[in-house]
Amino acid sequence: DGGITQSPKYLFRKEGQNVTLSCEQNLNHDAMYWYRQDPGQGLRLIYYSQIVNDFQKGDIAEGYSVSREKKESFPLTVTSAQKNPTAFYLCASSIVPGPSYEQYFGPGTRLTVT
Amino acid sequence: SQQGEEDPQALSIQEGENATMNCSYKTSINNLQWYRQNSGRGLVHLILIRSNEREKHSGRLRVTLDTSKKSSSLLITASRAADTASYFCATDEGNQGGKLIFGQGTELSVKP
Repeated sequence: DGGITQSPKYLFRKEGQNVTLSCEQNLNHDAMYWYRQDPGQGLRLIYYSQIVNDFQKGDIAEGYSVSREKKESFPLTVTSAQKNPTAFYLCASSIVPGPSYEQYFGPGTRLTVT
Repeated sequence: SQQGEEDPQALSIQEGENATMNCSYKTSINNLQWYRQNSGRGLVHLILIRSNEREKHSGRLRVTLDTSKKSSSLLITASRAADTASYFCATDEGNQGGKLIFGQGTELSVKP
């Protein structure tokens, strides 16, 4: 099966701890994205990567970090500097970078920080 | 930044009825996409319409784009209970980088 996997589905952490969310794709897509979704809201872009070893900040990058060491993997670290980390996190990919292309989404990780 | 704004925020209809959702945006665009999200799941791409297109169909879906009014509509005909989901439009803000900008979505409930 081709697609995007995110793990785990649910994640619980204590305040002050860093946590890393996994995102893997076997679609051979160049571009990958991380979004945050709050209840009743649309998606907000955290970071995106157009190619391996390259990434750019999105609209709400503060308190987050990413890496893109392999084409198929784009992990997101939610650091203790992120003031309101509890949210639903979605990873996506597209065959090439650019908003003219369909994005394929993973099933999401719901992070709860207490 | 918020580009697409969906209207209505929530819509409840009976099975068999048509559902129309609207999206308005602020800047010029090259294309506009519609996505669907079932509760607690990832988004699924429905349709992409380019700025030089006025209408596009896919099965029971019909999307229109009016660039003069900076608006788009998504029509689902003969709705089914399985169409219950949130629907989002996403635009490219005139091709600024690789970003898609999503609206806040319309929550559609189709009652059997």
